[in-house]
Amino acid sequence: GNSVTQMEGPVTLSEEAFLTINCTYTATGYPSLFWYVQYPGEGLQLLLKATKADDKGSNKGFEATYRKETTSFHLEKGSVQVSDSAVYFCALSDWGSGGSNYKLTFGKGTLLTVNP
Amino acid sequence: DTGVSQDPRHKITKRGQNVTFRCDPISEHNRLYWYRQTLGQGPEFLTYFQNEAQLEKSRLLSDRFSAERPKGSFSTLEIQRTEQGDSAMYLCASSWGQGSLEAQYFGPGTRLLVL
Repeated sequence: GNSVTQMEGPVTLSEEAFLTINCTYTATGYPSLFWYVQYPGEGLQLLLKATKADDKGSNKGFEATYRKETTSFHLEKGSVQVSDSAVYFCALSDWGSGGSNYKLTFGKGTLLTVNP
Repeated sequence: DTGVSQDPRHKITKRGQNVTFRCDPISEHNRLYWYRQTLGQGPEFLTYFQNEAQLEKSRLLSDRFSAERPKGSFSTLEIQRTEQGDSAMYLCASSWGQGSLEAQYFGPGTRLLVL
């Protein structure tokens, strides 16, 4: 079956530090990959996505590149801000081997805290 | 575009009671999903509708759970004879697609506490 593994948190950084949150996946088909963010007290928001190998998703200074050879989709940001403090979820959506399969499979999430 | 809305935002109930949650998707979205999220975990898929048809249900969705999407618009998720293990955040998401692997947009969730 499909699965997503994220680096465990919590991750604590100082403002303007470089961020990497690792994400690797296992999928039966050829998945699309997503990063979602959950700010305190709010719902999940789509941060970025990539639908095929070597695609780079980017948004709000965050980037992630779909690496099929390493089955990875690591999230990076060059300079984090206090407002980036949130829980980040890596997810995949896969056709699967049985036809349609639209569900998202999520990792457990990584809590990021950015201190001023 | 007002986003996905869910009602209520919070629900406290006693074990054995029935509860019903509502989700209003983004208006032009034809696909609607329900997920459950427990503390410290990522959301887990429960069920999926394309228009009014319920096309997939997770093994997590016991026979105490039922979901509907009449007329392909809003959806309801009912839990009968609630148990303490049902305490979780219930998330609704919607998307538009004709076969592509599109992104899903989530509502704020309904937090259920079963006493």
